[in-house]
Amino acid sequence: DAKTTQPPSMDCAEGRAANLPCNHSTISGNEYVYWYRQIHSQGPQYIIHGLKNNETNEMASLIITEDRKSSTLILPHATLRDTAVYYCIVRVGYDYKLSFGAGTTVTVRA
Amino acid sequence: GAGVSQSPSNKVTEKGKDVELRCDPISGHTALYWYRQRLGQGLEFLIYFQGNSAPDKSGLPSDRFSAERTGESVSTLTIQRTQQEDSAVYLCASSLTSGGAWNEQFFGPGTRLTVL
Repeated sequence: DAKTTQPPSMDCAEGRAANLPCNHSTISGNEYVYWYRQIHSQGPQYIIHGLKNNETNEMASLIITEDRKSSTLILPHATLRDTAVYYCIVRVGYDYKLSFGAGTTVTVRA
Repeated sequence: GAGVSQSPSNKVTEKGKDVELRCDPISGHTALYWYRQRLGQGLEFLIYFQGNSAPDKSGLPSDRFSAERTGESVSTLTIQRTQQEDSAVYLCASSLTSGGAWNEQFFGPGTRLTVL
């Protein structure tokens, strides 16, 4: 059962902000929203996670709606190296099994 | 510091042969995970090791798959009598612990297995 829904692909201009949406309408109260990305031929890389408050780190910002049914990952100044598949997942904090769906293929264009 | 390393990076084998894949986790990481990623698909959990606890083997697809880990160091994933459907990238990850929301898993580059 897919717990998250993401658009299959999106393009972004280099230097602009990339806003990646994710729907998780059935999220439970104890589930976190996590984002990972996978650059071609590399292993997945953790980006950010949050429960209900917005979060920011050196890579990205995570905006979670008040009802927690959707979220947006923001890459503030996309570079060509941000071209990757981005995965949004929801899971409880103690669940160590990662499971990704198809994700969003983000292509950053010069 | 050094990240998670895996070897070989690529492995081509014939159907029916056994293969062994190796993972060297980040030093000090007590938790180690194996995943499989088929071409164009998402991540499938295979097995998890945490310190000296019994491993969670719930993701292994068949008894042809097995994995070992010596203490908190290297792990090997063995696939016996390989089949064509075993072709995939096998990813290893490690984390400091497995508990809590902050158990960031660091992934290796993967081993691409092709079964002819």
